[in-house]
Amino acid sequence: EPEVTQTPSHQVTQMGQEVILRCVPISNHLYFYWYRQILGQKVEFLVSFYNNEISEKSEIFDDQFSVERPDGSNFTLKIRSTKLEDSAMYFCASSEAPRSSYEQYFGPGTRLTVT
Amino acid sequence: AQSVTQLGSHVSVSEGALVLLRCNYSSSVPPYLFWYVQYPNQGLQLLLKYTSAATLVKGINGFEAEFKKSETSFHLTKPSAHMSDAAEYFCAVTGDTGRRALTFGSGTRLQVQP
Repeated sequence: EPEVTQTPSHQVTQMGQEVILRCVPISNHLYFYWYRQILGQKVEFLVSFYNNEISEKSEIFDDQFSVERPDGSNFTLKIRSTKLEDSAMYFCASSEAPRSSYEQYFGPGTRLTVT
Repeated sequence: AQSVTQLGSHVSVSEGALVLLRCNYSSSVPPYLFWYVQYPNQGLQLLLKYTSAATLVKGINGFEAEFKKSETSFHLTKPSAHMSDAAEYFCAVTGDTGRRALTFGSGTRLQVQP
């Protein structure tokens, strides 16, 4: 069964450093998303991406964040200058194109620890 | 704006007992509703979805949920709990015109006692 994959599973970085989290969405999906879950809190939407541009973003997704689809398979989230409060589990998700199919399929997540 | 409220951050049931996890939503447009399950150290797995078809939705692992517009609810049930059901369960909503972002509830941790 097709699945969303994410690498790395765990990333430790120092405050102020740049990190790139990688995702490979399901191959025939056209919508891509990033969510985050701070330990003990709810899952929060960050950004959605369609047709090579951001289609939607939350207030959390400020200038330190960016997303990119560098090739036909990868979808990345870059955090330019990490802060302690960026420590969280980051989930990538993807969904099909038709408006009637809103279900999103999630990857296993990348745990980001900022020290 | 949309929101989801999950009543009860922790629910404990005995093996074989009924599971009932509560979810109430708020949405200004017809909602699409989802239940996801998260096992320890894993990602979110879709259990079931409501997308304006049948109001009683069956999902994987014997779970089902009923959409009740009058009560703005989408409670998750399973007739008989199994030890392997122990996990965190998240209710989520979307459906605003043009939006696809999911708004999640705060989650309910289900514990199953032997």
